[in-house]
Amino acid sequence: DTEVTQTPKHLVMGMTNKKSLKCEQHMGHRAMYWYKQKAKKPPELMFVYSYEKLSINESVPSRFSPECPNSSLLNLHLHALQPEDSALYLCASNPSPLTVSRPHSGNTIYFGEGSWLTVV
Amino acid sequence: GQNIDQPTEMTATEGAIVQINCTYQTSGFNGLFWYQQHAGEAPTFLSYNVLDGLEEKGRFSSFLSRSKGYSYLLLKELQMKDSASYLCAVRGLVTAGNKLTFGGGTRVLVKP
Repeated sequence: DTEVTQTPKHLVMGMTNKKSLKCEQHMGHRAMYWYKQKAKKPPELMFVYSYEKLSINESVPSRFSPECPNSSLLNLHLHALQPEDSALYLCASNPSPLTVSRPHSGNTIYFGEGSWLTVV
Repeated sequence: GQNIDQPTEMTATEGAIVQINCTYQTSGFNGLFWYQQHAGEAPTFLSYNVLDGLEEKGRFSSFLSRSKGYSYLLLKELQMKDSASYLCAVRGLVTAGNKLTFGGGTRVLVKP
């Protein structure tokens, strides 16, 4: 099982709404990521959690608030977003943040199918 | 920081071979990934290299030279369904938060 599950697949929200994106994996992975991807651009890193602790915040505006309640779940809370925040939000996970040189694909990073967000 | 370069677009004929190059400059290296992404879909994992050399997986192969900061993805026996964007991504050190940074992606168009 190499599945990262994201919900919802599509979300339309107003600029005053509060919503959340959810990500779940049951592979025992201890690093989880949020990426944002605009059309025809590569994914841009937002946050990294390692062992349920926030290890990277790429200067993301506070209207995006990540949460990692346990090792299987990663949430992204959304509040007071702008239309330019409309994008594909991707969650990813990695088996072990402490692995340095494992040459086999068991150390890969898997992506969920993404949540398409439209802010109106 | 990380700087990752790959060509913007490549065109090839069905049945042919295409090589997508990726060069990177990084302050720390903990593996290089190749992903395929079809329009409107999430990236799917293709290959992972952390040691020098060639990794072969069916029609796809990936090569890494850490001393040169260079990788390539080789697609053989191209099929129409291989038309997609191919993303090169470099992972930083654990001490730098395990960050995965993407290049701009290479759009490959396979023609009949």
